[in-house]
Amino acid sequence: AQRVTQPEKLLSVFKGAPVELKCNYSYSGSPELFWYVQYSRQRLQLLLRHISRESIKGFTADLNKGETSFHLKKPFAQEEDSAMYYCALSRNNNAGNMLTFGGGTRLMVKP
Amino acid sequence: DAGVTQSPTHLIKTRGQQVTLRCSPISGHKSVSWYQQVLGQGPQFIFQYYEKEERGRGNFPDRFSARQFPNYSSELNVNALLLGDSALYLCASSLEGAGRQPQHFGDGTRLSIL
Repeated sequence: AQRVTQPEKLLSVFKGAPVELKCNYSYSGSPELFWYVQYSRQRLQLLLRHISRESIKGFTADLNKGETSFHLKKPFAQEEDSAMYYCALSRNNNAGNMLTFGGGTRLMVKP
Repeated sequence: DAGVTQSPTHLIKTRGQQVTLRCSPISGHKSVSWYQQVLGQGPQFIFQYYEKEERGRGNFPDRFSARQFPNYSSELNVNALLLGDSALYLCASSLEGAGRQPQHFGDGTRLSIL
């Protein structure tokens, strides 16, 4: 069975401070990891995925298979980063791309 | 492109009733998935359909069923509604049903059971 854990329900930082949203997973196979974000009154949208190895809105995430983690990081938080963030896992095969989500972390960036 | 569209936006039902939720995927997407999101939790997978075939099923009772139509739109049906079925139901589409394909979500249908 696969499982995604986001240990922090709420993370509050000041503008300009570094941000790290933690995500740990358990899965016996080779996973695909994603970060989704939901801004206030908007739909859930893809932020980034580990296969792309790209930076979106200044956020990066590195898959650490040894620690089974996929933490989301940003060096300098902005107020517009305030949102709900979900880490999600999908199996890396052609048997379906259904997602297993973590419980989410609410990021609040204070001015 | 309007993205994934879901209807209705809100729905109020009473215990024991039946409900049908509808989803239209992004044009060109052949896979549709359904998720249930209870307040304060992450979305939980219910079903996935690809090319009108069920690709996966989550840990939900048989009261939950779904289907996909030739135009790739989908319906989620829930029978004998319980208070615990109150949640936001999300639909997501992807080009195919493979692991590396990201899913694109709709705004959801908020279902309230009285």
